[in-house]
Amino acid sequence: EIVLTQSPDNLSLSPGERATLSCRATRTINSAHLAWYQQKPGQAPRLLIYGASSRATGIPDRFSGSGYGTEFTLTISRLEPEDFAVYYCQQYGNSPRYSFGQGTKLEIK
Amino acid sequence: QMQLQQWGTGLLRPSETLSLTCAVHGGSFSGHYWSWIRQSPGKGLEWIGEVTESGSTNYNPSLKSRVAISVDTSKNEFSLKLNSVTAADRAMYYCARVGGWEFDFWGQGTLVTVSS
Repeated sequence: EIVLTQSPDNLSLSPGERATLSCRATRTINSAHLAWYQQKPGQAPRLLIYGASSRATGIPDRFSGSGYGTEFTLTISRLEPEDFAVYYCQQYGNSPRYSFGQGTKLEIK
Repeated sequence: QMQLQQWGTGLLRPSETLSLTCAVHGGSFSGHYWSWIRQSPGKGLEWIGEVTESGSTNYNPSLKSRVAISVDTSKNEFSLKLNSVTAADRAMYYCARVGGWEFDFWGQGTLVTVSS
């Protein structure tokens, strides 16, 4: 089983700043199989990034994904007020077929 | 625009069977896997299982003995049954479409509580 560990657990930043969120896997992941989601209170997660670096439909270009192997990063170049939320990484693998990181809560400083 | 609408029983007693259904609107039902995912404060996001239009399934080994996911292509719906529920099954349950290797469309969620 591949375990995803996200860091930090909490991140406090101000609007306009750059956010860098990390996702580390216990084994190498095919980059095509790594995704990122944003979740706001009371809402379902929303797909942001798939294939480690491809933005989903309608996602602003201030969101970018990078990485390979066991280390992946979600970057938000300039934070907007609506970007403060919880972010999850997710991988496709074997047994279980899909798993998620524990999440990073991005808070307004 | 694809929409997933889900419904089902929100309050269960221990040992009962959880039953949820998800209807797919505005897009093709074929050619995709359709999943159930749950989210609880203690375990975060947990994938439960998935089904194709032909009824082929894959389940999370941790839940496999208690889970059944089925499909009704005539209604563009798929369903989840989880038997012998306990307090540990209390969570928000989501249905979702598998795009490639990720979940690109989600239902609104159903909160399931287990209490005697």
